[in-house]
Amino acid sequence: NAGVMQNPRHLVRRRGQEARLRCSPMKGHSHVYWYRQLPEEGLKFMVYLQKENIIDESGMPKERFSAEFPKEGPSILRIQQVVRGDSAAYFCASSPLAPGVSSYNSPLHFGNGTRLTVT
Amino acid sequence: ELKVEQNPLFLSMQEGKNYTIYCNYSTTSDRLYWYRQDPGKSLESLFVLLSNGAVKQEGRLMASLDTKARLSTLHITAAVHDLSATYFCAVPQEGGGADGLTFGKGTHLIIQP
Repeated sequence: NAGVMQNPRHLVRRRGQEARLRCSPMKGHSHVYWYRQLPEEGLKFMVYLQKENIIDESGMPKERFSAEFPKEGPSILRIQQVVRGDSAAYFCASSPLAPGVSSYNSPLHFGNGTRLTVT
Repeated sequence: ELKVEQNPLFLSMQEGKNYTIYCNYSTTSDRLYWYRQDPGKSLESLFVLLSNGAVKQEGRLMASLDTKARLSTLHITAAVHDLSATYFCAVPQEGGGADGLTFGKGTHLIIQP
């Protein structure tokens, strides 16, 4: 059973370009989370999606960042007009359970991350 | 706003020694998670603590949760070099459910031979 798959592992973009990060959740998981990790920092929640729906995007910058999780295919985190401050590791995690399920006792399963470098 | 604080943030210790990492959080939660991250790698789940007084052990690591004190500890017994990593605690965001986790900044643990 393959884990959470993210690609690319490393991505280099020049300022002003677009970055597209992909995440395929574990088989059977329909809940996807994106996190950003700056050097020497913990992970910061960005957005939570279910298939075709954004559930919580409270951690995502209002401009230049967008996320989707279509009915078919991977979840995409898109960063337009990248700036140097966007350089970070972006992790995707998936879960099989819906929010508010009191019996939720499984940890999120994380992918290996995409390391974005903006030059 | 939920705050999760870990201490220490950096820890260098010798093999064979014992030490404890602390995780405090600012709001009520009946769940807490511990993860391990090796440099350049993803996060690996270590422990899921689901109730007050929960204690779990795996090898040289033991985690506990005190929901009344809003405190979790990760205790390392007779440390070995392979345990060198960054350890994160995480608490569900306010609102409960699976709407994401708030992480501490991590404890960078270096175990020297």
